[in-house]
Amino acid sequence: SQTIHQWPATLVQPVGSPLSLECTVEGTSNPNLYWYRQAAGRGLQLLFYSVGIGQISSEVPQNLSASRPQDRQFILSSKKLLLSDSGFYLCAWNRGYEQYFGPGTRLTVT
Amino acid sequence: KQEVTQIPAALSVPEGENLVLNCSFTDSAIYNLQWFRQDPGKGLTSLLLIQSSQREQTSGRLNASLDKSSGRSTLYIAASQPGDSATYLCAVEPNAGGTSYGKLTFGQGTILTVHP
Repeated sequence: SQTIHQWPATLVQPVGSPLSLECTVEGTSNPNLYWYRQAAGRGLQLLFYSVGIGQISSEVPQNLSASRPQDRQFILSSKKLLLSDSGFYLCAWNRGYEQYFGPGTRLTVT
Repeated sequence: KQEVTQIPAALSVPEGENLVLNCSFTDSAIYNLQWFRQDPGKGLTSLLLIQSSQREQTSGRLNASLDKSSGRSTLYIAASQPGDSATYLCAVEPNAGGTSYGKLTFGQGTILTVHP
């Protein structure tokens, strides 16, 4: 069966510090991968998606970036965090119609 | 641009009640609609997926219907239980022509509380 992992589960970072969140999927190959952010009172927003290694599409302009160095690994990064980057970050995958989500990372920028 | 609205924003019911959650979307051109459940501080759990050619899907006590032409979907929960308490989200995969790559547009969710 397929499993999706995210780490860390929680993170507290000061403004201006770098960020790296990791997501890995097991039990499937060549999935589409997604990064979403859920901010308080704002619902789920798609940030990036990837249909293959090295292929990244950005949905919203921001100071975040994403990379896909391996087929089942998706990384969300920032060089300098802003207060507005705080939120709950969710990784998801699909290989067909249904989308499946990871457990999420709670990021607090102080 | 596709927009998804969920009504009500919050709902509190006694255990055992049957209930309906509503989801509406502005553009009927969709590939599919998916209902999710989210427990506090957790990721999303997929409940039901309805493809655009389908009218409804059922899983246990859950039944989701889709009326694409009117831009509406409902999630029916039968015989609600305290364990059903969670936020319920609907999401559509828009069909803007070509390949959508599975990108979803979400509603804001309905917070459901089922009290004993």
